[in-house]
Amino acid sequence: AQSVTQLGSHVSVSEGALVLLRCNYSSSVPPYLFWYVQYPNQGLQLLLKYTTGATLVKGINGFEAEFKKSETSFHLTKPSAHMSDAAEYFCAVSLYKAAGNKLTFGGGTRVLVKP
Amino acid sequence: EAGVAQSPRYKIIEKRQSVAFWCNPISGHATLYWYQQILGQGPKLLIQFQNNGVVDDSQLPKDRFSAERLKGVDSTLKIQPAKLEDSAVYLCASSPRQGEETQYFGPGTRLLVL
Repeated sequence: AQSVTQLGSHVSVSEGALVLLRCNYSSSVPPYLFWYVQYPNQGLQLLLKYTTGATLVKGINGFEAEFKKSETSFHLTKPSAHMSDAAEYFCAVSLYKAAGNKLTFGGGTRVLVKP
Repeated sequence: EAGVAQSPRYKIIEKRQSVAFWCNPISGHATLYWYQQILGQGPKLLIQFQNNGVVDDSQLPKDRFSAERLKGVDSTLKIQPAKLEDSAVYLCASSPRQGEETQYFGPGTRLLVL
């Protein structure tokens, strides 16, 4: 069975500062990894995903994440935070070869951006 | 392209009442998922359909929850009777086919059970 741990349920950053959200996973087979963002009263929107190939993945809104197999991590970063980045972020893992491509989510990290 | 549609957006009921949620996936998407998101937690899969067949319902509390996707398009999730702990956001997602890694989420239905 796979699981996801997001370190820090809340993160506060200043506008223009680096955003770093941590995600570690456990999986018995090579996983697919995702970051989703959820704005208030909205559904989840895909930021980026890692399936195979290049381990540094670029997503929308200036975010990127790096898959590190040796550390079982998939941390999300953005060089310069914007007020519009205030939202909740979820890391998720799926096992592509398993039936159903079920997503397992972490507990989420809420980002607050200070002016 | 229209996204995943869900209704109602909000629902307040008393415990032991019944409630139903509706989801219309993106046109042509064969796979449909229902997730439960309790406040402060990540979404948890309740049930997955491939066309009109159930692929995974291992985490669906079958004594009170039921779901159907009769024509392989839209889907209904029902709770009967509701408990206080069912208060959550119910998210519907779809993907083009089984094995497609990206799921597209609707806005969710926020349920409050009093």
